Amino acid sequence: GQQVMQIPQYQHVQEGEDFTTYCNSSTTLSNIQWYKQRPGGHPVFLIQLVKSGEVKKQKRLTFQFGEAKKNSSLHITATQTTDVGTYFCAGRRTSYGKLTFGQGTILTVHP
Amino acid sequence: NAGVTQTPKFRVLKTGQSMTLLCAQDMNHEYMYWYRQDPGMGLRLIHYSVGEGTTAKGEVPDGYNVSRLKKQNFLLGLESAAPSQTSVYFCASSYFPQGPKNTEAFFGQGTRLTVV
Repeated sequence: GQQVMQIPQYQHVQEGEDFTTYCNSSTTLSNIQWYKQRPGGHPVFLIQLVKSGEVKKQKRLTFQFGEAKKNSSLHITATQTTDVGTYFCAGRRTSYGKLTFGQGTILTVHP
Repeated sequence: NAGVTQTPKFRVLKTGQSMTLLCAQDMNHEYMYWYRQDPGMGLRLIHYSVGEGTTAKGEVPDGYNVSRLKKQNFLLGLESAAPSQTSVYFCASSYFPQGPKNTEAFFGQGTRLTVV
């Protein structure tokens, strides 16, 4: 079945450092989404990528979708303590398929 | 709008007991999902539904049953709870995906279930 792997599982950074999490799928994806879950909270949608090679930016966050549509990354520039949380990628094999999540990357930011 | 509402928020069960978790959404979403979240395992799909009256198995369906009798409600049942089902359960809903339209999933607040 479809598997979505995410690395690293944990990342500890000093405030101001950059952070990247990577997502790899065993199958080609129709689209990929990214979510953020604050400690004790629920996942909240950040962005969706659909096109091969697509790059989208949200302030200090940069999202990329691979050319083969099997991998994706989220990069945060100059982390802040408000970035703390777990970042999940989630993919659909088809545009109308089920949403499969990666294991998530837990980000800790030390002030 | 309330969005996605899960009840209850917390529950402690004894092994062998049964219970039903209720998820309600007021966004007229076609798709609804039940996930469980365990440390280091991310969000694993238990069951999902693409419309009223339909259900399908996800990655970890064993020990759970679901029903979608009304479009706005998605029920998750545990017939005979086991300690391995101790977890945080999240319900989510989304629109039916049509082309490149955003199909973001909206999540409920979660249900923390402990089976002793």
